[in-house]
Amino acid sequence: GESVGLHLPTLSVQEGDNSIINCAYSNSASDYFIWYKQESGKGPQFIIDIRSNMDKRQGQRVTVLLNKTVKHLSLQIAATQPGDSAVYFCAETASGGYNKLIFGAGTRLAVHP
Amino acid sequence: DTAVSQTPKYLVTQMGNDKSIKCEQNLGHDTMYWYKQDSKKFLKIMFSYNNKELIINETVPNRFSPKSPDKAHLNLHINSLELGDSAVYFCASSQRGGTNTGELFFGEGSRLTVL
Repeated sequence: GESVGLHLPTLSVQEGDNSIINCAYSNSASDYFIWYKQESGKGPQFIIDIRSNMDKRQGQRVTVLLNKTVKHLSLQIAATQPGDSAVYFCAETASGGYNKLIFGAGTRLAVHP
Repeated sequence: DTAVSQTPKYLVTQMGNDKSIKCEQNLGHDTMYWYKQDSKKFLKIMFSYNNKELIINETVPNRFSPKSPDKAHLNLHINSLELGDSAVYFCASSQRGGTNTGELFFGEGSRLTVL
């Protein structure tokens, strides 16, 4: 079946270090992937997306890498800040359209000063 | 100005009761969603409406009934509440209803606790 999962449930980093959050997906038909950030008590917020015809996309301090061969997605955060502390989700589009996103289990990122 | 707003933010109720959660978006989006987030933070889609038409209906007990009076509103009514319904329910909206439509805008969630 379709599933999206994360290798690490919790990631602790020092402020200023780079963070890498990983995600594995199983549906090879998925062609659109999104990373969301969820702060405590709030709804998920869009960070960055990538389509399957790309293998890398950069935003402000964030980079998403897609490896379709091994069905792996990662989110890199440069110079991690305390405000980056949150739960991060990867999500993929399931077949059937209408933005039926399948979310992974989430990784908690804890940034220490 | 809140883009996707849902009420109430917290809801505590007894088993067997009926309750509703309301959602409104002022982004002019055509598509709205309800997601359920369990205690382990797992997010799962429940329903989606595109321009008041139901387009996604996941395997959700029929005690859950969404209603969309217009494309800016999507409410969720739950009958005969059970303990397992305790979760945070998120409303979301997006600009278009086709595949790869991009960003979902989420509300802040409604935490439902069933006692």
